[in-house]
Amino acid sequence: EGQLVESGGAVVQPGGSLRLSCAASGFTFDDYTMYWVRQAPGKGLEWVSLIDWDGGSSYYADSVKGRFTISRDNSKNSLYLQMNSLRKDDTALYYCAKGQSSAGGMDVWGQGTTVTVSS
Amino acid sequence: EIVMTQSPATLSLSPGERATLSCRASQNIGSNVAWYQQKPGQPTRLLIYDASSRATAIPARFSGSGSGTEFTLTISSLQSEDFAVYYCQQYNTWPPLTFGGGTKVEIK
Repeated sequence: EGQLVESGGAVVQPGGSLRLSCAASGFTFDDYTMYWVRQAPGKGLEWVSLIDWDGGSSYYADSVKGRFTISRDNSKNSLYLQMNSLRKDDTALYYCAKGQSSAGGMDVWGQGTTVTVSS
Repeated sequence: EIVMTQSPATLSLSPGERATLSCRASQNIGSNVAWYQQKPGQPTRLLIYDASSRATAIPARFSGSGSGTEFTLTISSLQSEDFAVYYCQQYNTWPPLTFGGGTKVEIK
């Protein structure tokens, strides 16, 4: 069914930048839409961004639009999230997830990588 | 933006009991709903998609129903491993994709 492993989380100051990565294995990466979802401490799930199979289309939550950029490298089976102008409310566990082929759910999730924005 | 409202926030039940979790959408979303289970230290797991289709390897005790604005996840007989937090998510009208606030199923 596949596996996703996120990396790149760190402690960063407000206004700073960070790039998250997600390594995919066990499925044909370039067949699927991919997602970033985050979870602030003690809170629920929040969709951040999605990118279609070839990177031709991407979408963002209003809370990150203009600051975050999603991308993928299908030759490396990898998904990325470039995060700029970080704010304290971006502090969260960031998950990457794989979209289903025939429905809108997310059927494989990683364990997440932690981003803490603090001075 | 479609708002997904889950109730109750917490459900206290004993093993073997039936769990009924609700999710309400602020607009008609057809059957475009998924349900997820989240447990500490484990990847989030897709349980149900298209409101009532079980995902791969999900036990038959999990079932989903509903359409339009009212959706239900039912666990017919709670097992110890089912105590977790459950989220609904709509994918009918996006962006944004939206999740409910979650229901925690805890041991009574």
